[in-house]
Amino acid sequence: EVHLVESGGGLAQPGRSLRLSCAASGFPFGDYAMHWVRQVPGRGLEWVSGIGYDSGTIAYADSVKGRFTISRDNAKNSLYLQMDSLRVEDMAFYYCAKGGLRNDAFDVWGQGTLVTVSS
Amino acid sequence: SYELTQPPSVSVSPGQTARITCSGDALPRKYVYWYQQKSGQAPVLVIYEDSKRPSDIPEKFSGSSSGTMATLTVRGAQVEDEGDYYCYSTDSSGDLRVFGRGTKLTVL
Repeated sequence: EVHLVESGGGLAQPGRSLRLSCAASGFPFGDYAMHWVRQVPGRGLEWVSGIGYDSGTIAYADSVKGRFTISRDNAKNSLYLQMDSLRVEDMAFYYCAKGGLRNDAFDVWGQGTLVTVSS
Repeated sequence: SYELTQPPSVSVSPGQTARITCSGDALPRKYVYWYQQKSGQAPVLVIYEDSKRPSDIPEKFSGSSSGTMATLTVRGAQVEDEGDYYCYSTDSSGDLRVFGRGTKLTVL
């Protein structure tokens, strides 16, 4: 069965850092693009960042560019999001999502991990 | 910036057809994807590349796109179809990936 499990969420002060991880199983992780999507509780979805199957293509939303870094380790079937210079507005549930082979069909999602940014 | 515009809410009676629209300037050139999110759950892909349906999604869900507007249709909507529906696409360059603000579907 295909699974994505996020971890690493928690409480951080503004300006500090957190690193999210996403463990994948049940599919050939190294063949697919992966993405991070976030959602403020009670609000809509926001695409955050995506990375190609071989890390050759990386993109970020303008709201996190220069502060967040996406990476992956195909040997470990894992996706990461390094979040630096956190802001209150970064507080949200963070989901990792499996992309399509050649499109943005996010066909598998994790359960999400909550990031709280507060002093 | 790039925006996809959805109505905040759509309401239908059980058994009726619900239509949720999504408009964006780049839709004539870019695919639309639709996601369903029920309360407290992660989103689920229900339509990809404008009109294709994942194998585990019921046939009651269909998608279409014409010009700058895409439409998600839910035929014979039931209470279990209630939730928030989001469209997703990119701008013309493909650099900006955005979700619409979401449409709350109510079946009552």
